[in-house]
Amino acid sequence: EVQLVESGGGLVQPGGSLRLSCAASGFPFSTFEMNWIRQAPGKGLEWVTYIGAGTARHYADSVKGRFTVSRDNAKNTLYLQMSRLRAEDTAVYYCTRGGGVIPRLWFDPWGQGTLVTVSS
Amino acid sequence: QSALTQPPPVSGSPGQSVTISCTGTSSDVGGYDYVSWYQQYPGKAPKVIIYDVRNRPSGVPDRFSGSKSGNTASLTISRLQAEDEAEYYCCSYAGDSWVFGTGTKVTVL
Repeated sequence: EVQLVESGGGLVQPGGSLRLSCAASGFPFSTFEMNWIRQAPGKGLEWVTYIGAGTARHYADSVKGRFTVSRDNAKNTLYLQMSRLRAEDTAVYYCTRGGGVIPRLWFDPWGQGTLVTVSS
Repeated sequence: QSALTQPPPVSGSPGQSVTISCTGTSSDVGGYDYVSWYQQYPGKAPKVIIYDVRNRPSGVPDRFSGSKSGNTASLTISRLQAEDEAEYYCCSYAGDSWVFGTGTKVTVL
């Protein structure tokens, strides 16, 4: 069964840093593109960042220069390093899978999400 | 990267059909046949129900259908059922990024 499990969320002060993790299982993680998507409380979905199976990475303008996506294929784990956090970064962060050997530009499956709260 | 525009909440009785529009620009919806739709229940993660404009993943009922014309994509839910009450989001590839719609709540009366 394909599974994505996020962790690392919590309460952090404005200007602080936090690292999220997403443990993947049930599929050949190293060959798949991955994304982080977030959802502020009571709001809609916002794509945050993409990492390819190779070296490609893309970021939403709202997080560019502050967030860094990475992956450890040996550990089947996706990461999101968040720095200079702002109140508007408060959201549930979802880890999602993109395309693999067969390209696809949609997201499936999604993890259960981890809540990040930026507040003093 | 402005959000795609979806309508306010819609409702329908069981057995009826509802259609949700998703309007973007030539840089996203109009420029690519890579529109997907997601269903989200309260407190749950989203689930894809349509990809590449009109394709349904395995296990998604054929009551769900997608289409696109110009800069506007649409999701139609036919033969509405109580379990279809949820929030629906469209999403479009926009060239090295993705943009989501504002979301539409579907209520089954």
